[in-house]
Amino acid sequence: NAGVTQTPKFQVLKTGQSMTLQCAQDMNHEYMSWYRQDPGMGLRLIHYSVGAGITDQGEVPNGYNVSRSTTEDFPLRLLSAAPSQTSVYFCASSSFQGYEQFFGPGTRLTVL
Amino acid sequence: AQTVTQSQPEMSVQEAETVTLSCTYDTSESDYYLFWYKQPPSRQMILVIRQEAYKQQNATENRFSVNFQKAAKSFSLKISDSQLGDAAMYFCAYSGGATNKLIFGTGTLLAVQP
Repeated sequence: NAGVTQTPKFQVLKTGQSMTLQCAQDMNHEYMSWYRQDPGMGLRLIHYSVGAGITDQGEVPNGYNVSRSTTEDFPLRLLSAAPSQTSVYFCASSSFQGYEQFFGPGTRLTVL
Repeated sequence: AQTVTQSQPEMSVQEAETVTLSCTYDTSESDYYLFWYKQPPSRQMILVIRQEAYKQQNATENRFSVNFQKAAKSFSLKISDSQLGDAAMYFCAYSGGATNKLIFGTGTLLAVQP
């Protein structure tokens, strides 16, 4: 199993550009989430999904969209990148409530 | 709303010694889960230990153990016989309700001195 994969690993955008961060898991997990990590703030939840076709907002959803058309994939879309979105982004998945969440390797995004 | 607080931004320990990282949380839920995650310089998030709130027994994983005080809403991590490879950022996290969302503390950066 590859576990949770994320692409790209690094990305530089200009303000106003859009892009999609890809996340995929091959463990048949129902739960998937996106977090952003900023210095001194830990990880904060952006959006999450409890199954295909079901998504909801987390703590910091503004400026991001998600969709979950399959169990395996959970892409995160930046609609119009802003410097405040410079961060490290992690995707995670889990099989059941309260069980370990498996994290991808992260994407370091810089918005100029 | 649930919150997780880690009051020690940085800690240091000598190799082979024991260190305890503190974590407190706030919740009104009775059924929840608590986690400690380790993040080495590679950036990968690695689960260290997991505690189910309904279990009174403290979780243990080899050199890692927790002191779970439910009434005090405290969840500290003890690392025994510290090794150089334990140097990392450690995050305490809470998960409750049906959505499996994780709420993280701000982290404690642990240095291990040889």
